[in-house]
Amino acid sequence: LAKTTQPISMDSYEGQEVNITCSHNNIATNDYITWYQQFPSQGPRFIIQGYKTKVTNEVASLFIPADRKSSTLSLPRVSLSDTAVYYCLVGGEIFYDGRGDKVIFGPGTSLSATP
Amino acid sequence: DTAVSQTPKYLVTQMGNDKSIKCEQNLGHDTMYWYKQDSKKFLKIMFSYNNKELIINETVPNRFSPKSPDKAHLNLHINSLELGDSAVYFCASSHVSLGTGLNTEAFFGQGTRLTVV
Repeated sequence: LAKTTQPISMDSYEGQEVNITCSHNNIATNDYITWYQQFPSQGPRFIIQGYKTKVTNEVASLFIPADRKSSTLSLPRVSLSDTAVYYCLVGGEIFYDGRGDKVIFGPGTSLSATP
Repeated sequence: DTAVSQTPKYLVTQMGNDKSIKCEQNLGHDTMYWYKQDSKKFLKIMFSYNNKELIINETVPNRFSPKSPDKAHLNLHINSLELGDSAVYFCASSHVSLGTGLNTEAFFGQGTRLTVV
């Protein structure tokens, strides 16, 4: 079973703030929370990582409550170029698909920004 | 100044052929990886190399053979290609070796879309 749960898709208008929440009820004490972004036809790109409270960088903010059972990626003012898939990972999250392959992440949250 | 570059970007080939995908990173990282992303966007670890040594070798058919001539390069050779090998293959690198690499800042190439017909 996957350790994280996030919405499959979200829609937003340009200029709005978008918050994507990821649930990770079984997070371990030494697990960090990492978010990646993937544009169509490109490789995933590291966005942000945190352990607790709030982390902010030039791209996004990451809010982590005290119990660390969830985290929220916040994109302050979405633009069309933020249309991408966003993946939440916890620790070295691995789960097995139906064929027994080690899956690192997927399918993420597909964010669609419109004018 | 592409950090992780892989070639080719697209590869269309017939079943039974042998093909290679090349990957190079100019970040000075010690660890490189190969991942496979299927049509459902699941990203699966295939191999991990640290300083030219194989660290992770997942349950990948032995038709897939990685080769690391130096720590800046990790190539993937695939023998006897099958229809099920069609996917996007990503090369990545990271500074430290943390298992699958994605709980640290890993840098990915643009991907190679392999289509086997």
